[in-house]
Amino acid sequence: ESVLTQSPGTLSLSPGETATLSCRAGQSLDSNFLAWYQQKPGQAPRLLIHGAYNRAPGIPDRFSGSGSGTDFTLTISRLEPEDFAVYYCQQNGDHFGQGTNLEIK
Amino acid sequence: EEQLVESGGDLVQPGGSLRLSCAVSGFTFSRHWMTWVRQAPGKGLEWVANIKEDGSKIYYLDSVRGRFTISRDNARNSLFLQMNSLRVEDTAVYYCAGNQNYALPFWGQGTLVTVSS
Repeated sequence: ESVLTQSPGTLSLSPGETATLSCRAGQSLDSNFLAWYQQKPGQAPRLLIHGAYNRAPGIPDRFSGSGSGTDFTLTISRLEPEDFAVYYCQQNGDHFGQGTNLEIK
Repeated sequence: EEQLVESGGDLVQPGGSLRLSCAVSGFTFSRHWMTWVRQAPGKGLEWVANIKEDGSKIYYLDSVRGRFTISRDNARNSLFLQMNSLRVEDTAVYYCAGNQNYALPFWGQGTLVTVSS
């Protein structure tokens, strides 16, 4: 299976800024199979995006997904304090990337 | 509202066995692939296994194949993970999750499995 590599490992930003998180697949991936999750300490992950760019129900439009082939991006605009968390990409409902820790600067 | 409740996590010695259960309500269980995901302390998410709606297809992480068995009972809206020959590196919170659109929109709160002597 294709390995997913996320970058950066840690991203330090301030509220109000824009976060750009990357997920690179080892081989070309059907966009339908790429999802993004948010996880806060002590909580289960929450689905943000499926099919590379489709927001899950209840997810604010500050969260957007893009990309195709091997390169996918999660963009979080106008960062809110509650957005600081760990973010994971996933392919095909199974293997995950190693995560990006979005921390307050 | 979708609810997934895991149970069965415990402290077990290396080489021991545990059976995890996940009780599902709030969505049509029999129409969804189901998945187990684990997270070792301080580490990232790791997919463990998944099972097709009718149980006819099953896939495992290489490191658990032959030791873990995923199963489901659609009549009881329940998912299971039988874990044998447990290793210290299997220590993790184990999450039950429901699949939709090649993603996991439905998650339980997790159950902790600790493998230690």
